[in-house]
Amino acid sequence: RKEVEQDPGPFNVPEGATVAFNCTYSNSASQSFFWYRQDCRKEPKLLMSVYSSGNEDGRFTAQLNRASQYISLLIRDSKLSDSATYLCVVNPYTGRRALTFGSGTRLQVQP
Amino acid sequence: DAGVIQSPRHEVTEMGQEVTLRCKPISGHDYLFWYRQTMMRGLELLIYFNNNVPIDDSGMPEDRFSAKMPNASFSTLKIQPSEPRDSAVYFCASSMTSVGEQFFGPGTRLTVL
Repeated sequence: RKEVEQDPGPFNVPEGATVAFNCTYSNSASQSFFWYRQDCRKEPKLLMSVYSSGNEDGRFTAQLNRASQYISLLIRDSKLSDSATYLCVVNPYTGRRALTFGSGTRLQVQP
Repeated sequence: DAGVIQSPRHEVTEMGQEVTLRCKPISGHDYLFWYRQTMMRGLELLIYFNNNVPIDDSGMPEDRFSAKMPNASFSTLKIQPSEPRDSAVYFCASSMTSVGEQFFGPGTRLTVL
């Protein structure tokens, strides 16, 4: 089983739609979680951290469910500029390991 | 700050040739990471350094790959000899901690013919 698993998509949604992505992680000891965004042929960039109580940044909401070992990202009122690949990132807190990146979920927002 | 700098941005080489990728991290960042990204395998961590010392190289695919960090402002990833299956985008990233936000360079797109 992969340490971090994501549905690769693509998710094709119309502008203005609400879309949600889930990500599961295998290590129950994981302590910190992030969502990164990667535009086509560009480098990944931090979108937001995910806190235990859940957190919101404008149209974006991140949630953590430790019992089921998944994190989610909700995007409301989708814009064309939201089209990108969203990477789920987990700190496995095992040995000397650093952050582990999921393979990403691709979102295409249609006009 | 200029951000993480990588060179070259594109590299096309023939199988068997040596390839050297270069990275300059953000000043003040103690951690430097090398990743490889392909469609099939996603983003894979190859190796990371803390204060110029390699900490985890378990992701380095085989002996053909080597990485060095001679000082706080420079790192190289070398592939010798290169093979077509090494074709990928190689990213360098730096951060202040091993588990904090990582800042990525623009990547080097490597094609091995």
